[in-house]
Amino acid sequence: DAGITQSPRHKVTETGTPVTLRCHQTENHRYMYWYRQDPGHGLRLIHYSYGVKDTDKGEVSDGYSVSRSKTEDFLLTLESATSSQTSVYFCATQGGQENTGELFFGEGSRLTVL
Amino acid sequence: AQKITQTQPGMFVQEKEAVTLDCTYDTSDPSYGLFWYKQPSSGEMIFLIYQGSYDQQNATEGRYSLNFQKARKSANLVISASQLGDSAMYFCAMRGRAGSYQLTFGKGTKLSVIP
Repeated sequence: DAGITQSPRHKVTETGTPVTLRCHQTENHRYMYWYRQDPGHGLRLIHYSYGVKDTDKGEVSDGYSVSRSKTEDFLLTLESATSSQTSVYFCATQGGQENTGELFFGEGSRLTVL
Repeated sequence: AQKITQTQPGMFVQEKEAVTLDCTYDTSDPSYGLFWYKQPSSGEMIFLIYQGSYDQQNATEGRYSLNFQKARKSANLVISASQLGDSAMYFCAMRGRAGSYQLTFGKGTKLSVIP
């Protein structure tokens, strides 16, 4: 399995504060993703990266920004957290066989915005 | 745009019985891939099985098989001989055109295995 670690794993913060979630991978995978998981919605793509400094928006990108300065790190930032951003956030990398595009996931980061 | 539909929010199955979890999809891409992931209560996402749109055979991985019906745009997951450890959320997902690795997920089905 790909080595993907997310930090912090749990965070409680207040509305209006900035929050940064970090995803670190050791597999040298090119593609990295941030998803959020909410009950009744499954997983929804926030942002993704297809290389260092190459990022793009996903389905639910409003209120989020990302950065990727190194292959192994993909940061998700909430500039001013809102209660609607309370969620579980998953980082994923593209791995597996080239023709399948299987994603490997981190363990998730649970964020609570009060 | 791609869309994945899982119409069963929750299901129950007796231990040792087989169960089918439904998944339908919509895409205009001629080439695509379909995935199933398992999420136990501990929260991690576990890859189960993959089916490519051009694969001639239905995918199988141990007790998991994917019933792929291209004309009906369905990719149902079949779990044979259910075990208590199969109790989890199950997500169907789709990858679009070749070279695009984004996955679009369904809302999931919560499977409960009854002893």
